[in-house]
Amino acid sequence: NAGVTQTPKFQVLKTGQSMTLQCAQDMNHNSMYWYRQDPGMGLRLIYYSASEGTTDKGEVPNGYNVSRLNKREFSLRLESAAPSQTSVYFCASSALYPLAKNIQYFGAGTRLSVL
Amino acid sequence: KNEVEQSPQNLTAQEGEFITINCSYSVGISALHWLQQHPGGGIVSLFMLSSGKKKHGRLIATINIQEKHSSLHITASHPRDSAVYICAVTGDSNYQLIWGAGTKLIIKP
Repeated sequence: NAGVTQTPKFQVLKTGQSMTLQCAQDMNHNSMYWYRQDPGMGLRLIYYSASEGTTDKGEVPNGYNVSRLNKREFSLRLESAAPSQTSVYFCASSALYPLAKNIQYFGAGTRLSVL
Repeated sequence: KNEVEQSPQNLTAQEGEFITINCSYSVGISALHWLQQHPGGGIVSLFMLSSGKKKHGRLIATINIQEKHSSLHITASHPRDSAVYICAVTGDSNYQLIWGAGTKLIIKP
């Protein structure tokens, strides 16, 4: 049982390049999330999708776009990467939203460096 | 001031010691979560609680709603417990998770 799968695991970009981080879950979860984790800081929510067909901004959405392609997949796109977007990105899913009733399951993370 | 504060930031202990990690929060919550992040980066949910105490193996999590405080205890600590332990709360108004910065635990053999 794979759980939450993120690709790629590592990526180096030049400033201005674009890329899409992929995330898929096989637990039939309704809700999916994208976080970034920077050294010394807690996880910060970029975007979330409470259910298939909906997406909402989190705490730090600027510079990112998302697509909830279907119930399984939730992608994060950087249209024009900036050095400030160097971070570790985590995708997560939960059975339902809100999170007061559900725990989250996390992918292994994507380490992104923007030069 | 952060809405979720963890202490200590770093903790080094010897194998077998009893470990306590603290989490204080300043907002109304629906639930509190404890998660573990291993050196390889993977994050795993350990507990979700809204009152009282939960136990899983050598891990015990407690919460005091009145004092807005939670503790994570590890009994008979082992080097494999070395990880970052993260506290997060679900706000009772917008249901988003508010994350602590984590406590880095190192258990020496």
